[in-house]
Amino acid sequence: LAKTTQPISMDSYEGQEVNITCSHNNIATNDYITWYQQFPSQGPRFIIQGYKTKVTNEVASLFIPADRKSSTLSLPRVSLSDTAVYYCLVAPYNDMRFGAGTRLTVKP
Amino acid sequence: ETGVTQSPTHLIKTRGQQVTLRCSSQSGHNTVSWYQQALGQGPQFIFQYYREEENGRGNFPPRFSGLQFPNYSSELNVNALELDDSALYLCASSYALTGDTEAFFGQGTRLTVV
Repeated sequence: LAKTTQPISMDSYEGQEVNITCSHNNIATNDYITWYQQFPSQGPRFIIQGYKTKVTNEVASLFIPADRKSSTLSLPRVSLSDTAVYYCLVAPYNDMRFGAGTRLTVKP
Repeated sequence: ETGVTQSPTHLIKTRGQQVTLRCSSQSGHNTVSWYQQALGQGPQFIFQYYREEENGRGNFPPRFSGLQFPNYSSELNVNALELDDSALYLCASSYALTGDTEAFFGQGTRLTVV
């Protein structure tokens, strides 16, 4: 399974765009990249998933360069409620192995 | 609301006891995974079941065992509880094994071992 590396923590302010980058240098051909959000004492919640190029949904965008060795989760105009831990996962199947995640703190 | 329900929500057990945690998968999902999440850490993969068969296991001892039933609900059993087993236990269900499917998590069971 590809190992992922992401920043331990990030701070932002309300209304700003936040970009969280995840490195996965040994990603395999059949691996998908998935991001989850987790609030305290709750289960992780799916945000977005992609294989290559760019994916956008109603809450986020995911940018994946051609070599797929990294990915960037982009959260437009964050609010206080976006304060959470964000996990990047890379796996060929639904055998998800979570890392430590990035703790995002959004300030007023 | 993901449709994945776990019971109980909270539980206190004594060291050495056994515990069974339950997970009801989202309708139509045939795959369930269990995770242990200690305070301040990411979820750690325990094992996964696909159509009632174990389909992968993380670095957990044999006293962690599981079952998946024909209706795809699942149980996690932990024997000989240790203090370090205190954690949030999460289950996640999905439709299939492929990596392009979304997994849905329950709210978890908070287990405290005293």
